Amino acid sequence: DTEVTQTPKHLVMGMTNKKSLKCEQHMGHRAMYWYKQKAKKPPELMFVYSYEKLSINESVPSRFSPECPNSSLLNLHLHALQPEDSALYLCASSQVYGGAGELFFGEGSRLTVL
Amino acid sequence: DQQVKQNSPSLSVQEGRISILNCDYTNSMFDYFLWYKKYPAEGPTFLISISSIKDKNEDGRFTVFLNKSAKHLSLHIVPSQPGDSAVYFCAASDGSEKLVFGKGTKLTVNP
Repeated sequence: DTEVTQTPKHLVMGMTNKKSLKCEQHMGHRAMYWYKQKAKKPPELMFVYSYEKLSINESVPSRFSPECPNSSLLNLHLHALQPEDSALYLCASSQVYGGAGELFFGEGSRLTVL
Repeated sequence: DQQVKQNSPSLSVQEGRISILNCDYTNSMFDYFLWYKKYPAEGPTFLISISSIKDKNEDGRFTVFLNKSAKHLSLHIVPSQPGDSAVYFCAASDGSEKLVFGKGTKLTVNP
């Protein structure tokens, strides 16, 4: 199984809603990532978890709250988002920690904030 | 401040010909470089990588060349096929968990 599965594929939410994005991998990877991608822009790193511990937070606003319940799962909790947070949110995992090697990406969750 | 630059937003080639996608970087601490391919409505998929200790890496139709003195790398696809049509991202790592991506080049291979 070489897949990273993200749910939901599409999410529309209001600025007062609370929602979560979910990511799952069963490749035994110990590093998991959240990236944000806006149209015609490159993916931008948000968070990195290594061995279920948060290792990098790229100064992401607190309305985004990551969670890594176990080595296979990664969540991104969303609360009080702004319309400019609308983007494609990509989850990725990798085997190697201590160096960004080959990342396996999910298909992404496309978020629209109204 | 873009550390990884892909200056061509798009490239169009004929089937069977060579596709050359270029990437420049500014951070001399980058020591590992990767190319990702992205189809619409899918996440990026890893294509090929190269370490800074090498100047060439080949995998089937795909070859990546690295010129450290010029801080430049390129991806060659020979022969190009219509199924290669996608957005190609160059990415670089400095040994940390951060992977810095370029803006991407949209490749169209015409039959």
